Amino acid sequence: DSGVTQTPKHLITATGQRVTLRCSPRSGDLSVYWYQQSLDQGLQFLIQYYNGEERAKGNILERFSAQQFPDLHSELNLSSLELGDSALYFCASPGAAHEKLFFGSGTQLSVL
Amino acid sequence: AQRVTQPEKLLSVFKGAPVELKCNYSYSGSPELFWYVQYSRQRLQLLLRHISRESIKGFTADLNKGETSFHLKKPFAQEEDSAMYYCALRRGGNYQLIWGAGTKLIIKP
Repeated sequence: DSGVTQTPKHLITATGQRVTLRCSPRSGDLSVYWYQQSLDQGLQFLIQYYNGEERAKGNILERFSAQQFPDLHSELNLSSLELGDSALYFCASPGAAHEKLFFGSGTQLSVL
Repeated sequence: AQRVTQPEKLLSVFKGAPVELKCNYSYSGSPELFWYVQYSRQRLQLLLRHISRESIKGFTADLNKGETSFHLKKPFAQEEDSAMYYCALRRGGNYQLIWGAGTKLIIKP
């Protein structure tokens, strides 16, 4: 167990809808990273939060946003969903030593 | 452009045979490279970091700056090595990793 928790495991929704993915990092970790894994784009970095503030942005669409709360859990909000947003969304945190990323089990999003 | 290339989508070898999963990178600075593995129905986990120069589960990987490669090798494959393997490049001090497309390794009995 990596200590990173993601919910829900699966999400099925329709185009145009909005969903929220939740992530709790490892205990004590201030950073949360969000990644998207899709068949056509592979694994891509989306966004990083550190202690409640956005630290870095990657290939994140404007329809997507994230936030990190005082208890350090993070939420990734995906809106105006399109078929192409169907993917596995991972969050990860780096651990105290920052030697590696610990990944959650992911949320599988299916947009129908 | 910063890029990680894993040329093989699928690699199938027999148990006991040597394995080499290729990874090439393009990066102008000093890269830090990783191999991550995803076993069936499990989450992504770190296998190797080039900085550590360690051997994990019999796998090794050497950073070759001249060839800009970080190939993953194991002399004798085992069935439990079947998994997806991702090579990743770390830029700077955080984990905005650039990922290769992944190689699915199948070890045949």
